[in-house]
Amino acid sequence: DAGITQSPRHKVTETGTPVTLRCHQTENHRYMYWYRQDPGHGLRLIHYSYGVKDTDKGEVSDGYSVSRSKTEDFLLTLESATSSQTSVYFCAIRPGGSDEKLFFGSGTQLSVL
Amino acid sequence: KQEVTQIPAALSVPEGENLVLNCSFTDSAIYNLQWFRQDPGKGLTSLLLIQSSQREQTSGRLNASLDKSSGRSTLYIAASQPGDSATYLCAAPLGQGGKLIFGQGTELSVKP
Repeated sequence: DAGITQSPRHKVTETGTPVTLRCHQTENHRYMYWYRQDPGHGLRLIHYSYGVKDTDKGEVSDGYSVSRSKTEDFLLTLESATSSQTSVYFCAIRPGGSDEKLFFGSGTQLSVL
Repeated sequence: KQEVTQIPAALSVPEGENLVLNCSFTDSAIYNLQWFRQDPGKGLTSLLLIQSSQREQTSGRLNASLDKSSGRSTLYIAASQPGDSATYLCAAPLGQGGKLIFGQGTELSVKP
């Protein structure tokens, strides 16, 4: 998976609890992204990062925050999980410059009960 | 606002058949378009990226075309094999910075 590790792979949590998902890359790529994938909606961008401490919102960012204190790690936090955040979460990376291809991690299946 | 549509949602073909998957987008001011493959329970794998200056891009039995004027891209798979069974997604840029907007995918099943 192009040097991308997502953890945990599966998580079950209760409504109202905080949850943090981790994306770790060994490629030293500049750009990192968090997407969620849902039946009927496809993949939608939550947040992205274009460098350490440089992040921005995607199309479905409400209820999510991110942090990137090191090049290799991009954390996605659900401050207070809701059932609507039950989804599969994918991290992606991109080298930057003229290389536009995205490389995806294997995903985290999150269930909020 | 960019919207990406893929039709059909599912396709079943016999092994050996040549097939075409379709992708349409509403904003023709794109600078590239990507095709991905997703196997069940897995992440996405980039197959082909077509720059706006190109009309086609080929990789093995796969050929992707891009027609900005009509807002369409096609992925042609030659001599399909059961191992090609997967969901195929296309994605167009959402502004700058490598952000993508995805179609909902075509689930392909190739029967032996």
